[in-house]
Amino acid sequence: GAVVSQHPSWVICKSGTSVKIECRSLDFQATTMFWYRQFPKQSLMLMATSNEGSKATYEQGVEKDKFLINHASLTLSTLTVTSAHPEDSSFYICSARERGQGKNYGYTFGSGTRLTVV
Amino acid sequence: RKEVEQDPGPFNVPEGATVAFNCTYSNSASQSFFWYRQDCRKEPKLLMSVYSSGNEDGRFTAQLNRASQYISLLIRDSKLSDSATYLCVVTPWTGKLIFGQGTTLQVKP
Repeated sequence: GAVVSQHPSWVICKSGTSVKIECRSLDFQATTMFWYRQFPKQSLMLMATSNEGSKATYEQGVEKDKFLINHASLTLSTLTVTSAHPEDSSFYICSARERGQGKNYGYTFGSGTRLTVV
Repeated sequence: RKEVEQDPGPFNVPEGATVAFNCTYSNSASQSFFWYRQDCRKEPKLLMSVYSSGNEDGRFTAQLNRASQYISLLIRDSKLSDSATYLCVVTPWTGKLIFGQGTTLQVKP
């Protein structure tokens, strides 16, 4: 089945630094990739929708200058958390659906990145 | 009001029990419906899509009632390995996945 590879799995960084998270669709083309954030004991909240070759669409309340998204190819999307602060510590996860799949097919998720900012 | 609402539980049931989870959604124009399973500190994994006609996959049965904007998941003969958080997910025409808070199931021996 479709696989989305997400790296890194976990990262600890100092406050003020930037962290890049990558998601690659390994065996399919992902025109659209979604980026989510999940705080402990809460559900996944959509941060932004990334479309190959165009600007990402951010959800209300998500700072686009802080969470930079790049979707330069049909198999790679990146999320960069700039000037990270402890409140950005969370579980970040991407998901994608294979191009051409029907609406009831469901989405494939990356394995997630646990970010801790100290 | 949240777009997708679930009872967070936890549901504590003995092995072999039958357990049902419910979910309601607010957007009547929603197009696709899913149940995902999420284990602790892991990514969600698709359990099953949900159709108006109802669908069954082994011990799992999902049902959608569009008129009531209600989705259900029934698990029969619960196993210890069923312990997880079950996420109700709805997709509007935009294709975005809207997640419920999740219902935690703990199956005990």
